[in-house]
Amino acid sequence: DAGITQSPRHKVTETGTPVTLRCHQTENHRYMYWYRQDPGHGLRLIHYSYGVKDTDKGEVSDGYSVSRSKTEDFLLTLESATSSQTSVYFCAISETGATLYGYTFGSGTRLTVV
Amino acid sequence: DQQVKQNSPSLSVQEGRISILNCDYTNSMFDYFLWYKKYPAEGPTFLISISSIKDKNEDGRFTVFLNKSAKHLSLHIVPSQPGDSAVYFCAASASGAGSYQLTFGKGTKLSVIP
Repeated sequence: DAGITQSPRHKVTETGTPVTLRCHQTENHRYMYWYRQDPGHGLRLIHYSYGVKDTDKGEVSDGYSVSRSKTEDFLLTLESATSSQTSVYFCAISETGATLYGYTFGSGTRLTVV
Repeated sequence: DQQVKQNSPSLSVQEGRISILNCDYTNSMFDYFLWYKKYPAEGPTFLISISSIKDKNEDGRFTVFLNKSAKHLSLHIVPSQPGDSAVYFCAASASGAGSYQLTFGKGTKLSVIP
């Protein structure tokens, strides 16, 4: 849908292990975002990117890092997974940033940390 | 501090009637407001938006109203249909330089009863 793919769709991992989630777009959009969705919290921004190698922190960035070495890929890494990082992770893309046209979201990755 | 608030976690409406979803914000710099719709196991999809220079925007069955003095916006769905049953997120952004991100509320789950 709209050229954005998240992988994997589902993952179960153990506490303390590193995990990398991938977001791939074919739209050549400049802006990419990682959000997490949790019951009672809605969608919260983890990190975002406004260009290749240009990234910044969001509201809940502790325990996460990102990399964007090319326009189409935005990687989210949990350096040492904890149970509190069990969540649904959504990637989003935008051509113009946070405007009236909004973002296009991927289908999400459901991550369970046991 | 929550800058975008959706105080009703859920709402039930009979098919054919009006659904009214509410959203309040605290950041006076916000000037773009958006509504997203989310079905289970899917990513959020953009529904409708409004800028602060307007007080109403309409798209088919969906109308968004903005009351800047009250820092309040609402989404009206008329008539409501069972397919409208989903979680609705309110989002806002400030269009000033350096602002690239949307801030989301916690969401309201709408159930349209046939």
